[in-house]
Amino acid sequence: KNEVEQSPQNLTAQEGEFITINCSYSVGISALHWLQQHPGGGIVSLFMLSSGKKKHGRLIATINIQEKHSSLHITASHPRDSAVYICAVPSGGSNYKLTFGKGTLLTVNP
Amino acid sequence: DSGVTQTPKHLITATGQRVTLRCSPRSGDLSVYWYQQSLDQGLQFLIQYYNGEERAKGNILERFSAQQFPDLHSELNLSSLELGDSALYFCASGKAVQGTQYFGPGTRLTVL
Repeated sequence: KNEVEQSPQNLTAQEGEFITINCSYSVGISALHWLQQHPGGGIVSLFMLSSGKKKHGRLIATINIQEKHSSLHITASHPRDSAVYICAVPSGGSNYKLTFGKGTLLTVNP
Repeated sequence: DSGVTQTPKHLITATGQRVTLRCSPRSGDLSVYWYQQSLDQGLQFLIQYYNGEERAKGNILERFSAQQFPDLHSELNLSSLELGDSALYFCASGKAVQGTQYFGPGTRLTVL
């Protein structure tokens, strides 16, 4: 089973700050997912990446396959970025079964 | 709006009962995934279907079953409900067997 660790568990920032959330996993994978869960409960898939870096607006995700580590960065953070950010990796010998981290609760204050 | 619909949004029932949760995937998506999110366990993968066939099974209890119909909608059946089954149940869909998943709004199940 792939163990997934996220850090930090909680993060409070001021509007405009640069945010970094980290995710480490124990077993080599083909791709890693970053998800965002809004306070109302809805989940949005942000990125699926298998190497290098992906960017979407103010969000950047990087992955280092050798180090088994991924980071999610938010530039110029805004209160609407406040959410739980969850990373997920394939587990159990299957690319279809995802194992999820416990999530990082991000609060961005105005 | 992801294009994935789930019904009902909320469900309150009693222990021992049986419920059915329904999911309609995005148009053109062949994969449907079911997840359970509880306060103590976090998000857990339950099961995946691709074009009507079961592709992967996760931590799904024997009391739970699912199927994907020819029109690609899926149902998750939960029976002999226990207090611990209270959770948010999400369905997600995707075009391929693996890839980006689009999540529905979830069904909040409360077992009293």
